[in-house]
Amino acid sequence: QVQLVQSGTEVRKPGASVKVSCKASGYTFTNYDINWVRQAPGQGLEWMGWMNSNSGTTGYAQTFQGRVSITRNTSTSTAYMELSTLTSDDTAVYYCARAAGNDIFDIWGQGTMVVVSS
Amino acid sequence: DIQMTQSPSSLSASVGDRVIITCRASQSIGSSLNWYQQRPGKAPKLLMYGAFSLQRGVPSRFSGSGSGTDFTLTVRSLQPEDFGTFYCQQSYSPPWTFGQGTKVEIK
Repeated sequence: QVQLVQSGTEVRKPGASVKVSCKASGYTFTNYDINWVRQAPGQGLEWMGWMNSNSGTTGYAQTFQGRVSITRNTSTSTAYMELSTLTSDDTAVYYCARAAGNDIFDIWGQGTMVVVSS
Repeated sequence: DIQMTQSPSSLSASVGDRVIITCRASQSIGSSLNWYQQRPGKAPKLLMYGAFSLQRGVPSRFSGSGSGTDFTLTVRSLQPEDFGTFYCQQSYSPPWTFGQGTKVEIK
């Protein structure tokens, strides 16, 4: 079936970087965009950025500009989100979500918890 | 950025009740409004898109309406599995933004 499977929990110290993976299966990876959305503990959903999985073109929310990078490996149908210069405010669950070019997130990964703590 | 505001922030309702959640955009977004349900500890799930289109597999007791700046999500007859937090999201203009969520509790 169509699914996105993300990598496991990550723990980082302040100032470090983290790279989360999102492996797609059950559909043609390059036919859909991948978006990343995060959710801090007890908070709402915050969109971080998107990637055209075919061309690799990306766009990022201003909040994360310069700190986030979304990439992909089309041979393994995997998208990646790397966030640098982490602070405790980056402690959150990070989700990847598929969008069919219309920015409607129809399939979501299970989420990856990132904990930033000294 | 387009701000999305939901009301109420939370509600408690009984099985069989009709529940209405509203979402207001800070500027006109046409019908580019989507709804998601998130159960505790789980990823969000798409319920409605384009303001009134039901995602495949979602029960028909869910319906959406509205255009421009004001939208509603209606659950015709609340069921025990309808608990969780509901979010609206605009897909009109980036950055894509979500409402703050409406937490639904089953009495």
